[in-house]
Amino acid sequence: NAGVMQNPRHLVRRRGQEARLRCSPMKGHSHVYWYRQLPEEGLKFMVYLQKENIIDESGMPKERFSAEFPKEGPSILRIQQVVRGDSAAYFCASSFGLAGVDEQFFGPGTRLTVL
Amino acid sequence: DAKTTQPNSMESNEEEPVHLPCNHSTISGTDYIHWYRQLPSQGPEYVIHGLTSNVNNRMASLAIAEDRKSSTLILHRATLRDAAVYYCILRALSGNTGKLIFGQGTTLQVKP
Repeated sequence: NAGVMQNPRHLVRRRGQEARLRCSPMKGHSHVYWYRQLPEEGLKFMVYLQKENIIDESGMPKERFSAEFPKEGPSILRIQQVVRGDSAAYFCASSFGLAGVDEQFFGPGTRLTVL
Repeated sequence: DAKTTQPNSMESNEEEPVHLPCNHSTISGTDYIHWYRQLPSQGPEYVIHGLTSNVNNRMASLAIAEDRKSSTLILHRATLRDAAVYYCILRALSGNTGKLIFGQGTTLQVKP
């Protein structure tokens, strides 16, 4: 059973370009979470999605960021018009359920560098 | 989610036990205590969780105080591979969206 997969592992963008980060959850998992880790900072929750639904986006910046988890295919975190401050490691996690006991399985992350 | 407090850093010698403390004095009765760790340049990984009783798994043990206001993650024989940031996180049984609230964690250094 493959783990959570993220691609690309490294992404370089120039200011103003768009960044698309992909996450394939573990087989059988329908809950997906995105977290961001800025340089020298801790992990921060961004958004929680189930298939075709955004459940909690309380951690998402108000502008330029969006996320989706379509019925078919991976979850996508999209950052429009990137700025240098978006440079960070973006981690995706998936879980089977959302109860307090369900562990989240994390992917290896996408490291975004904005030039 | 209730707040947790951990030491910023700890050191251990290889092959010795390590006790990583966590204080959570405002824990509620339905909060589970979870531990995750993040190795350098990797995503976090689940370590262990518990509610009231002490727990053991292949990675570690979790000792929970009787009043549940503190807990200790125990690595029985630290290896160099255990050098990581360890996060103690409280998660409500229900009524939440499952998101993990990471604090600063404890950076564990393991010396050979």
